Amino acid sequence: AQSVTQLDSQVPVFEEAPVELRCNYSSSVSVYLFWYVQYPNQGLQLLLKYLSGSTLVKGINGFEAEFNKSQTSFHLRKPSVHISDTAEYFCAVGSNFGNEKLTFGTGTRLTIIP
Amino acid sequence: KAGVTQTPRYLIKTRGQQVTLSCSPISGHRSVSWYQQTPGQGLQFLFEYFSETQRNKGNFPGRFSGRQFSNSRSEMNVSTLELGDSALYLCASSSGQAYNEQFFGPGTRLTVL
Repeated sequence: AQSVTQLDSQVPVFEEAPVELRCNYSSSVSVYLFWYVQYPNQGLQLLLKYLSGSTLVKGINGFEAEFNKSQTSFHLRKPSVHISDTAEYFCAVGSNFGNEKLTFGTGTRLTIIP
Repeated sequence: KAGVTQTPRYLIKTRGQQVTLSCSPISGHRSVSWYQQTPGQGLQFLFEYFSETQRNKGNFPGRFSGRQFSNSRSEMNVSTLELGDSALYLCASSSGQAYNEQFFGPGTRLTVL
C-alpha cells in the first residue's frame, strides 16, 4: 500500500519569494513520484516527475524537486514565485510498471501575495 | 495534438438516477484512468482501462463502472446516484507503457441533488 502526506494545506508566499511545498510518501516498493498543478476549473498538469536517476528533478515553470529516499520525501521548490503560480499543488506516488494508478496527497493551496 | 476531452463538462442529476461520463484520450494513448476529486476525500483512483480491459480498480462500490472502446475512448457510469457522488470526475490518458506521464482532461463536474 502507498500513501502520500502533504503537510501543509495552505501556503501563502509573497511574490518573488522562494517557496517549498512538502511531500512525504510511504511505500513498500520502489516508487515513482510526481507533482501536479491544478488551476481553477481545470484538470491537472504535470510539473515534474521522478522515475530514476538524478535525485534532483527540474520541471516546468521554474519548479524543481528533490527525491530523498532516506527521508521518504519529495519536496517541491521554486526560488522566486509569481502571481501566476497561485494554484493547488498535488504530490502523487505510483509504482509497478504497467500500472497507471496514482495515489495523491490532499493538496497544498499556494497563494501568492502581491 | 489534441488533449484529453471530457463530456459533458457539467451535469446535474437527482438521487437515484444514473449518469454516464465520456472521455476521449490523446490520439495513440491506450490507457485511460478515472479519478474522483472531492473537497473531503481529495483525488481518489476509480479504475484504469488499457486496450479495452480493466487493468486496475480502486476501492469504490459496484455502482461505479466503466468500459473502454476499441478506439480507446472510455465511459464511466454511476448508477443509483447518491448525494456523496457529487464531485469532479477526472480522466487521464497515457500510453500505458514505461510509466509515461498521465495527461488529465478538464473534468466533469457532477452535482447530485
